[in-house]
Amino acid sequence: DQQVKQNSPSLSVQEGRISILNCDYTNSMFDYFLWYKKYPAEGPTFLISISSIKDKNEDGRFTVFLNKSAKHLSLHIVPSQPGDSAVYFCAAMDNFNKFYFGSGTKLNVKP
Amino acid sequence: SQTIHQWPATLVQPVGSPLSLECTVEGTSNPNLYWYRQAAGRGLQLLFYSVGIGQISSEVPQNLSASRPQDRQFILSSKKLLLSDSGFYLCAAGVNQPQHFGDGTRLSIL
Repeated sequence: DQQVKQNSPSLSVQEGRISILNCDYTNSMFDYFLWYKKYPAEGPTFLISISSIKDKNEDGRFTVFLNKSAKHLSLHIVPSQPGDSAVYFCAAMDNFNKFYFGSGTKLNVKP
Repeated sequence: SQTIHQWPATLVQPVGSPLSLECTVEGTSNPNLYWYRQAAGRGLQLLFYSVGIGQISSEVPQNLSASRPQDRQFILSSKKLLLSDSGFYLCAAGVNQPQHFGDGTRLSIL
């Protein structure tokens, strides 16, 4: 049973517009959430994170929003650039330091 | 900062052959270590994690095994590979910070 779900396998966005990647989770004990970016044949790289005590964290063009009541988080990229094209994974950490990953969303930013 | 070394980058093995993938970590002591697999078209699946030398937890029943002979060394093994073992294997390390990943090993079983 997957505890972290990314229901959109792919997303296509025009350069300069906003990309919104969504993630849902089922375990209310998760207290730390992360987004990773992955290029083909490489390992994921950490992008941005958020603690469960916050509802928003911003880093440059990337903002993560957390809605604990809905068990939902999202990653906003604005403005989107062609170099942002990659697979984005959301992940959640439990209090045993174990990470649970979603299945990923492939973002394509069109020039 | 942490650096995760994984090798080999690609590997082609026949069904029934053994496997040994190695992962070493630099830049930290006593990290939690993880092996993940990404099958084609699917997300990252946690296979094993270790909180210390000789301590291995298995998440998914399978014909793979893991060992941690040293603090910063994590090995994924199999005695006999199956076709279903094909995939992209990632080693990761982390303590109380976001995990850092190696560049992965692409394993193809023929």
